[in-house]
Amino acid sequence: NAGVTQTPKFQVLKTGQSMTLQCAQDMNHEYMSWYRQDPGMGLRLIHYSVGAGITDQGEVPNGYNVSRSTTEDFPLRLLSAAPSQTSVYFCASSVGGIGANVLTFGAGSRLTVL
Amino acid sequence: EDKVVQSPLSLVVHEGDTVTLNCSYEVTNFRSLLWYKQEKKAPTFLFMLTSSGIEKKSGRLSSILDKKELSSILNITATQTGDSAIYLCAVRPGGAQKLVFGQGTRLTINP
Repeated sequence: NAGVTQTPKFQVLKTGQSMTLQCAQDMNHEYMSWYRQDPGMGLRLIHYSVGAGITDQGEVPNGYNVSRSTTEDFPLRLLSAAPSQTSVYFCASSVGGIGANVLTFGAGSRLTVL
Repeated sequence: EDKVVQSPLSLVVHEGDTVTLNCSYEVTNFRSLLWYKQEKKAPTFLFMLTSSGIEKKSGRLSSILDKKELSSILNITATQTGDSAIYLCAVRPGGAQKLVFGQGTRLTINP
């Protein structure tokens, strides 16, 4: 049981490049989400999904795209990377209902945009 | 706009001290408040507090929810160096499938 797996762990991009951060969970969780963590700002929600085929925006969705074609996978796409997207990204999942509060986090992906 | 504020942002104490971390919130239709501990990598769940469960305790850690004051405290007694971490507070607004996080408190325990 691997939990929530994120890849890559580290990535350096140039401004304007695109990339996809991968997230997979093997716990059959309905709810999945992406957060970014910046110094002094805590975790901010980018996008989330309550089930396959359903996604919605969080607090800071601009510049990011998501899709949820399966229960297990929830990739985050950066369409045209900008230095402001330098951050640590966390994928998190949980069961539905009130249990959606108790998020299980992946180990994080550190992204640097030059 | 939903908001969660933690204080202090940073705290340095000696091993054996007792610490109290604070979390205040302004959210629409409060559902629950959670505490997470973040060491090197991923945040790990500590407690969830709701209207029907306003106090939680696990070993040296305990937390209380004050719905009147819209706040919560996390207490750690007899601190150890392994308690050094960032402690995150998060709140779930009603009708929303999301958590709103505070900035976190960086706790450092010196031997």
